[in-house]
Amino acid sequence: KAGVTQTPRYLIKTRGQQVTLSCSPISGHRSVSWYQQTPGQGLQFLFEYFSETQRNKGNFPGRFSGRQFSNSRSEMNVSTLELGDSALYLCASSPGDANERPQHFGDGTRLSIL
Amino acid sequence: AQKITQTQPGMFVQEKEAVTLDCTYDTSDPSYGLFWYKQPSSGEMIFLIYQGSYDQQNATEGRYSLNFQKARKSANLVISASQLGDSAMYFCAMRERNTGGFKTIFGAGTRLFVKA
Repeated sequence: KAGVTQTPRYLIKTRGQQVTLSCSPISGHRSVSWYQQTPGQGLQFLFEYFSETQRNKGNFPGRFSGRQFSNSRSEMNVSTLELGDSALYLCASSPGDANERPQHFGDGTRLSIL
Repeated sequence: AQKITQTQPGMFVQEKEAVTLDCTYDTSDPSYGLFWYKQPSSGEMIFLIYQGSYDQQNATEGRYSLNFQKARKSANLVISASQLGDSAMYFCAMRERNTGGFKTIFGAGTRLFVKA
């Protein structure tokens, strides 16, 4: 069974640009969550999608948005990039039907803002 | 408010010995899940072990076991017979219901160094 796939693995952007990151969950998983990991703030929850609906959101500005498609694949978009957006962005999937199911993570997208 | 606390920023252990990584949590939700993840320097997050709030027995997965003390709200990870490849960052996480969905909160992590 293929794992969670995130693309691209690495990305370099400049301030003010926008970026879209992609995540393909494990087959059959309907929940996709996004996290931002930085050395200073650790792992922070961005949002969770389930059946194409955002059902939970962390404390991030509106520049951070996402969506989920009917095949459960998800994209995350960050507009007007700032230097502080440099981070490892992790996507995780789970069946989504109960909180006890573990999330399985992709390898992440490392975003660098110049 | 901090919901997952890992008090050990770094830990050293001798190869082949056991090590305990501490984790305490705080929640008012009666139903929740507790997880441990390993993150090597390459960055991927590897799921290690899960404990449900209603589970009566401590979870075990190979060399990993979770010492779950519900009344004390602690979920310590025990790694037996440490190996050099166990050197990594370890995160304790809790998944609970939040505004119609589920939210996973991570601790700050513990960096484990295994010495030969």
